[in-house]
Amino acid sequence: DVKVTQSSRYLVKRTGEKVFLECVQDMDHENMFWYRQDPGLGLRLIYFSYDVKMKEKGDIPEGYSVSREKKERFSLILESASTNQTSMYLCASSSLRNPLGQLMTSGWANVLTFGAGSRLTVL
Amino acid sequence: DAKTTQPTSMDCAEGRAANLPCNHSTISGNEYVYWYRQIHSQGPQYIIHGLKNNETNEMASLIITEDRKSSTLILPHATLRDTAVYYCIARPGLYGGATNKLIFGTGTLLAVQP
Repeated sequence: DVKVTQSSRYLVKRTGEKVFLECVQDMDHENMFWYRQDPGLGLRLIYFSYDVKMKEKGDIPEGYSVSREKKERFSLILESASTNQTSMYLCASSSLRNPLGQLMTSGWANVLTFGAGSRLTVL
Repeated sequence: DAKTTQPTSMDCAEGRAANLPCNHSTISGNEYVYWYRQIHSQGPQYIIHGLKNNETNEMASLIITEDRKSSTLILPHATLRDTAVYYCIARPGLYGGATNKLIFGTGTLLAVQP
């Protein structure tokens, strides 16, 4: 099974601290995503990456940056944490290729594997 | 993405089939129907997807009406561990890049009762 591992399940940080959230996937997926989830707002896309060193802004990139130096790792960085960044952060990955490297039907583009989430509290 | 409508909550007895409906009356021809679920305090989990035909995997079955305006997710023998929020999403598939902005609505809270 594809596994998406997020480095920290729970974090508590102070306002102004720099925060790193790490995500690693073990199935050679091309695409990786960072979402945040807040009550009443659902999941919102922060950034995504479809290749090493490539990144695209999602719907709410302000206050965040990302890094993808290796295919399996996608990091979310909060340069200066603020209380409104208290949230559940979810990393996900996807691929259009099966484990044999064969291109699958386009419907698989929206099949994401999520990590367990990192609950960040900023005080 | 086509708008989807789901009941807010449903109950199901353990061991019975759980049938979760979803309406997507404005779905277009290239939009797939996806189902995810989210167990409390965990990340969403993909269940199944389909375009026109009914689909089955080890987790569930997906029944799509002939006019594609609605679908039903079936968990054949619900267990307590199936208690979760279930999300129905209608979205085009795509090749190439990855603007996979999945929009999770409020979903259906399925409570499996012992």
